[in-house]
Amino acid sequence: DAGITQSPRHKVTETGTPVTLRCHQTENHRYMYWYRQDPGHGLRLIHYSYGVKDTDKGEVSDGYSVSRSKTEDFLLTLESATSSQTSVYFCAIKANTEAFFGQGTRLTVV
Amino acid sequence: KQEVTQIPAALSVPEGENLVLNCSFTDSAIYNLQWFRQDPGKGLTSLLLIQSSQREQTSGRLNASLDKSSGRSTLYIAASQPGDSATYLCAVGLNYGQNFVFGPGTRLSVLP
Repeated sequence: DAGITQSPRHKVTETGTPVTLRCHQTENHRYMYWYRQDPGHGLRLIHYSYGVKDTDKGEVSDGYSVSRSKTEDFLLTLESATSSQTSVYFCAIKANTEAFFGQGTRLTVV
Repeated sequence: KQEVTQIPAALSVPEGENLVLNCSFTDSAIYNLQWFRQDPGKGLTSLLLIQSSQREQTSGRLNASLDKSSGRSTLYIAASQPGDSATYLCAVGLNYGQNFVFGPGTRLSVLP
């Protein structure tokens, strides 16, 4: 257990509303990641961070933004949720060279 | 662009069998390779990490090998048990971008 907590664990939201998912770590690792997991697509990188206020886009970043104002927190925001963003979202950290994952957030956009 | 594939997509074996899961990647310029286990509705649990300079890693009944030049890794599970039933994913750590690229996974069922 790498001390990663995701919140909320489940959320249902309406199309067009903003949504923020939170990832919290307890061990001050520099690198943090947001992935989404969908049937037929596997895990795809949305955004990642390499330090406070240092972030970069991943493979599927359109419609998402991130912020990292503290080492321990990495926030993922869906500016205006769409049905295509219904997915399971995973946060990960890199400890030395090894990746560790949170338990995931299941987001449903109706 | 790095692409990772896993064969087979699904596998069903009787309890006690030894089995091999395969992972292939297209670009040999990797930093490391990691195997994960994912139970339904759960997060990913790290099983084994192989650095690019290593050939294999072992943990209990699990052994992972890495052949960077051929773009392949295998996960060997000895004496399989029903509790091993899960989806197994491999991920390559990239030299650039500090990111990981995942394979689609192999869904394993071990029958009692």
